[in-house]
Amino acid sequence: GEDVEQSLFLSVREGDSSVINCTYTDSSSTYLYWYKQEPGAGLQLLTYIFSNMDMKQDQRLTVLLNKKDKHLSLRIADTQTGDSAIYFCAESIRGGADGLTFGKGTHLIIQP
Amino acid sequence: DTGVSQNPRHKITKRGQNVTFRCDPISEHNRLYWYRQTLGQGPEFLTYFQNEAQLEKSRLLSDRFSAERPKGSFSTLEIQRTEQGDSAMYLCASSLYRQSNSPLHFGNGTRLTVT
Repeated sequence: GEDVEQSLFLSVREGDSSVINCTYTDSSSTYLYWYKQEPGAGLQLLTYIFSNMDMKQDQRLTVLLNKKDKHLSLRIADTQTGDSAIYFCAESIRGGADGLTFGKGTHLIIQP
Repeated sequence: DTGVSQNPRHKITKRGQNVTFRCDPISEHNRLYWYRQTLGQGPEFLTYFQNEAQLEKSRLLSDRFSAERPKGSFSTLEIQRTEQGDSAMYLCASSLYRQSNSPLHFGNGTRLTVT
């Protein structure tokens, strides 16, 4: 079956790195995604990684994938107040063609 | 920027009324998805279309829910005889499906409140 787990909250100080973790259960997942949701808004695609990759870097964002442990992480370098949001991990089969399965989201709280 | 557009942004209705939401996808995208998001949860997949064909609808929450995409462009989601438990954010997403990855791009959602 499909299940995606995330911690509900993460608190970091401004300027530090944030690491948001996610575990998934479906070993046939082909793509894994990170989305950001600000209050009252829809979901913004941040980045994604194909299951045959271990790492992907995009500016301040680094995604690490441990396929053996079915563990995905998102690292945000130099966290800013504008990064405060809910971050969702999502898995898909066949590139999301049949929809994505989302976790419950991690609330990232930035301390000044 | 012609992102995914959803209307209305907010809808308040009384229990038992019917409601319809509209989604306009990114113009070149051939796939369109509907999701529901309740408070404190991630989005929950409901249904999706490729062009005008509805390829998956078994996860629609009940027979009160229906979706259409008659010309393969915009889509509507209708909820008949609304119940208080239908109160949620309804999200639409679109993608360009080819053989490789096609990330979903979401709209800002329609928030439904059933009183």
